[in-house]
Amino acid sequence: DIQMTQSPSTLSASVGDRVTITCRASQTISTWLAWYQQKPGKAPKLLISKASSLESGVPSRFSGSGSGTEFTLTISSLQPDDFATYYCQQYNSYSITFGQGTRLEIK
Amino acid sequence: EVQLVESGGGLVQPGGSLRLSCAASGFTFSSYWMSWVRQAPGKGLEWVTNIKVDASEKYYVDSVKGRFTISRDNAKNSLYLQMNSLRAEDTAVYYCARDLRVSSGYYLDYWGQGTLVTVSS
Repeated sequence: DIQMTQSPSTLSASVGDRVTITCRASQTISTWLAWYQQKPGKAPKLLISKASSLESGVPSRFSGSGSGTEFTLTISSLQPDDFATYYCQQYNSYSITFGQGTRLEIK
Repeated sequence: EVQLVESGGGLVQPGGSLRLSCAASGFTFSSYWMSWVRQAPGKGLEWVTNIKVDASEKYYVDSVKGRFTISRDNAKNSLYLQMNSLRAEDTAVYYCARDLRVSSGYYLDYWGQGTLVTVSS
């Protein structure tokens, strides 16, 4: 299986900050990568597919980039609603795998 | 509006069984592969199993093979997960999710709210 590693595991930031979360794949996955946001006690929500394609209704302050083995999720100006845990997921194969998650907390 | 509503979770003893259900609405259920994904307390997401539109193909993570069975009833817009021989490590919130398939694989575009399964004596 393809291993997905996110960094950092925890990120402390303030409202208005620009933050970046990194996701690395153990082998090349082209741009077959999705990002999800999960708030405590809630289901994950799809934010981005194909590494950089923003889902309908997702604020434009979210962006994704990367290809091959290294990917990033960037939030250009943090809003109070953005404090959550973020997961990447590869779909280069039918055996999908997730990163371990990055918890974004208020500084 | 796409909705997925899970039910059937609860407390079960090790070695016991439980059947989860997921009621789907707001889309053509019979046109989509569906998955179950679980999340142990305080942990990350783990894909468990999925099923093809006509139930002719089913896939499982190794840790549940032979113990869990996924099924669906397209007439009832429902997805199921029969869990037998449950272990403590199966304790998790179980999410029903819709697969969005592309040439290489799939991602999960809609998720239910989850149902908690606790395996403990």
